[in-house]
Amino acid sequence: AQSVTQLDSQVPVFEEAPVELRCNYSSSVSVYLFWYVQYPNQGLQLLLKYLSGSTLVKGINGFEAEFNKSQTSFHLRKPSVHISDTAEYFCAVSKVAGGSYIPTFGRGTSLIVHP
Amino acid sequence: NAGVTQTPKFRVLKTGQSMTLLCAQDMNHEYMYWYRQDPGMGLRLIHYSVGEGTTAKGEVPDGYNVSRLKKQNFLLGLESAAPSQTSVYFCASGYRERQYQPQHFGDGTRLSIL
Repeated sequence: AQSVTQLDSQVPVFEEAPVELRCNYSSSVSVYLFWYVQYPNQGLQLLLKYLSGSTLVKGINGFEAEFNKSQTSFHLRKPSVHISDTAEYFCAVSKVAGGSYIPTFGRGTSLIVHP
Repeated sequence: NAGVTQTPKFRVLKTGQSMTLLCAQDMNHEYMYWYRQDPGMGLRLIHYSVGEGTTAKGEVPDGYNVSRLKKQNFLLGLESAAPSQTSVYFCASGYRERQYQPQHFGDGTRLSIL
């Protein structure tokens, strides 16, 4: 079975500071990795994804993430956050299950950006 | 969110009542999913469908049924609602070529069971 662990349930940070949201996964096979963002009272939006190739992936809104196979991690980073980045962030992992790829989500990290 | 519409947006039910949540997408996506979101639990997959007329169980299917009679619609049914089913329900859809990720999510249905 696969699982996704988001190590921090809440991350407070001041505006214009850098931030890292941590995600670790467990799987014995190759996986696809994703980060989603959820703004209040909305559904999820895909931020970025790692399928193969370069381990550093760039997404929307200035976010990037690095796939580290040896540490089974896929941490999300942004060098300078804005108030508008306040949201819930979800890490997700997909691997084949019964012929289909089914994503498993982490429990989420609430990013709170203070002025 | 463009393309995925959930109906209704809010609902309050009494224990034992039944209801159906509707998800409609206009992007011709093959894959559709139903998730529930609970505080501190993230999103958990209830059921999913890889095409018209097919459905499969996800992580937490008990107490729910689904149907995909038309490609654009994915219905989630609660036959006898229980307080443990109080949650926010999200529908999502995606292309077969990108079956490893739900690409578009609806805005959610907030369901309370009293």
